[in-house]
Amino acid sequence: RKEVEQDPGPFNVPEGATVAFNCTYSNSASQSFFWYRQDCRKEPKLLMSVYSSGNEDGRFTAQLNRASQYISLLIRDSKLSDSATYLCVVKNQGGKLIFGQGTELSVKP
Amino acid sequence: GAGVSQSPSNKVTEKGKDVELRCDPISGHTALYWYRQSLGQGLEFLIYFQGNSAPDKSGLPSDRFSAERTGGSVSTLTIQRTQQEDSAVYLCASSLEDFSTDTQYFGPGTRLTVL
Repeated sequence: RKEVEQDPGPFNVPEGATVAFNCTYSNSASQSFFWYRQDCRKEPKLLMSVYSSGNEDGRFTAQLNRASQYISLLIRDSKLSDSATYLCVVKNQGGKLIFGQGTELSVKP
Repeated sequence: GAGVSQSPSNKVTEKGKDVELRCDPISGHTALYWYRQSLGQGLEFLIYFQGNSAPDKSGLPSDRFSAERTGGSVSTLTIQRTQQEDSAVYLCASSLEDFSTDTQYFGPGTRLTVL
């Protein structure tokens, strides 16, 4: 079993749709959690950190459930520019970031 | 300010040759990571340097792979006797990793093609 698993993609949605990405992790001692975004043939960039209390940044909401070892990302009112691959990332107690396989999102007009 | 830089941006080599990939992290960042990403795949952790601690080499796929970080700054990833399956984008990232932040900043990557 992979240490970080994400929904298989791709997700194809119309502009304005709400889309949710799910992620589970296997190491209960994991310390920090993130969502990264990777555009085609570009390097990953941090989208947002994920906190136990849940956090929101504009149209993006991230949630963490430590008991279920589950992380989510919700994108509301999706834009064409949101098209990218979304990577769930978990940092273990040794400081190493473990990346999920990524879920590709394609927002269509 | 300057971000993470990597060189070369592209490298084409013949099977069996050795290659060296370079990473210049953001100045002052104590942590440096190497990952590789094959076409359509997620990021595979290779090695992690943090300050003066012994590096975490647990992700290196074989003894053909090695990495150094000199003076706590520049890092070189060396692949000896390259194989076709080594073809991938090799990404370097650095992080400040103090108590306030552990955001990783990625370089643009080196695209390695082994013929």
